[in-house]
Amino acid sequence: GAVVSQHPSWVICKSGTSVKIECRSLDFQATTMFWYRQFPKQSLMLMATSNEGSKATYEQGVEKDKFLINHASLTLSTLTVTSAHPEDSSFYICSARPGSNTEAFFGQGTRLTVV
Amino acid sequence: AQSVTQPDIHITVSEGASLELRCNYSYGATPYLFWYVQSPGQGLQLLLKYFSGDTLVQGIKGFEAEFKRSQSSFNLRKPSVHWSDAAEYFCAVGDSTLTFGKGTMLLVSP
Repeated sequence: GAVVSQHPSWVICKSGTSVKIECRSLDFQATTMFWYRQFPKQSLMLMATSNEGSKATYEQGVEKDKFLINHASLTLSTLTVTSAHPEDSSFYICSARPGSNTEAFFGQGTRLTVV
Repeated sequence: AQSVTQPDIHITVSEGASLELRCNYSYGATPYLFWYVQSPGQGLQLLLKYFSGDTLVQGIKGFEAEFKRSQSSFNLRKPSVHWSDAAEYFCAVGDSTLTFGKGTMLLVSP
């Protein structure tokens, strides 16, 4: 199946700093990628839809100035958590689809810990 | 709005026994349905999916699921569980964006 790579796998940062997470589709192009967040022992919640060449679409309750999404190419989307706080600590997962009628492939996730 | 319900938060099954994980969904049109598995600290791995056609879907690792439109269900089954199957299982519905259930943690006892 198609491969989506997410980097880094884990990151620890200090409060107030910013962290960038990359999501790459390795063997296909994706005009749309998706960012999810998973709290401990919870399900995945869609944060935003990343659109290549245009602004991301954020779900209700997600701060767009807090979670900056850039989809600069057909194979790369980035999520930047700005001015991170401990409550931003979570597991962030991206996904991408090769086509409109295919399943989404997920990255391995990024464990963010803000101290 | 679409939604997914996984009624069981956790299930314990003896190794070698059969398994069924329940999933009920709410969706406005013909649903695209998925089952994913997640090991601790890992991403999601697709077990199987239903888009259309045969309502009994075969997946990887010996898993299967049956789409029952009348019951709005897509239950996951495996005839004989292995210890390596212990993980969290998520049912999801959607097309471009996915809505996930809260997950069912599977524990496998010796």
